[in-house]
Amino acid sequence: DAGITQSPRHKVTETGTPVTLRCHQTENHRYMYWYRQDPGHGLRLIHYSYGVKDTDKGEVSDGYSVSRSKTEDFLLTLESATSSQTSVYFCAISEYPGQVVPYEQYFGPGTRLTVT
Amino acid sequence: ILNVEQSPQSLHVQEGDSTNFTCSFPSSNFYALHWYRWETAKSPEALFVMTLNGDEKKKGRISATLNTKEGYSYLYIKGSQPEDSATYLCASFTQGGSEKLVFGKGTKLTVNP
Repeated sequence: DAGITQSPRHKVTETGTPVTLRCHQTENHRYMYWYRQDPGHGLRLIHYSYGVKDTDKGEVSDGYSVSRSKTEDFLLTLESATSSQTSVYFCAISEYPGQVVPYEQYFGPGTRLTVT
Repeated sequence: ILNVEQSPQSLHVQEGDSTNFTCSFPSSNFYALHWYRWETAKSPEALFVMTLNGDEKKKGRISATLNTKEGYSYLYIKGSQPEDSATYLCASFTQGGSEKLVFGKGTKLTVNP
């Protein structure tokens, strides 16, 4: 299994509070991604990173920010959590193109976030 | 944003049945098509990555084909088993854009013993 961990694995928080989720990898992969999983929507990309301090928005980025100060860590922050952000959040990593399997993604175990 | 469509949305089959599902994607600027298997309460795991028109990949009883000219891929499961029950996701990756996959919503397969 790829070395990807997410913390916390479960969190309950109140509306309006800031929340930070952490994704940590030991694979030295260049690309890291944050997705959310919601019923009827599958996986939707929130933000991704293509290198240290290099990030870009996905399709559902409103209300979220990210930071990547080290190759191994990618942080997702909800500045002021809302109930609509209750979801399961998955981090994923992938290798730079030119490797044997282009852009295959490896997923972390997920973080279940509940905003009350 | 690309539209990656999967059908059917869900599927119930009996153990031993063979089944297949479809992923359709925009064919312009195509780079790669991924299939992932996602079991309940687990994380998605890669099944196949295909890049060339006419590609066929196989892993045990599961196989996939790719048609990049018309923008579709089929996933086949031969002799379904209860442990094949999962959601199967496909995702498309295009050239010249940003480095991200666009996922379909998945096909949820239930294999009844």
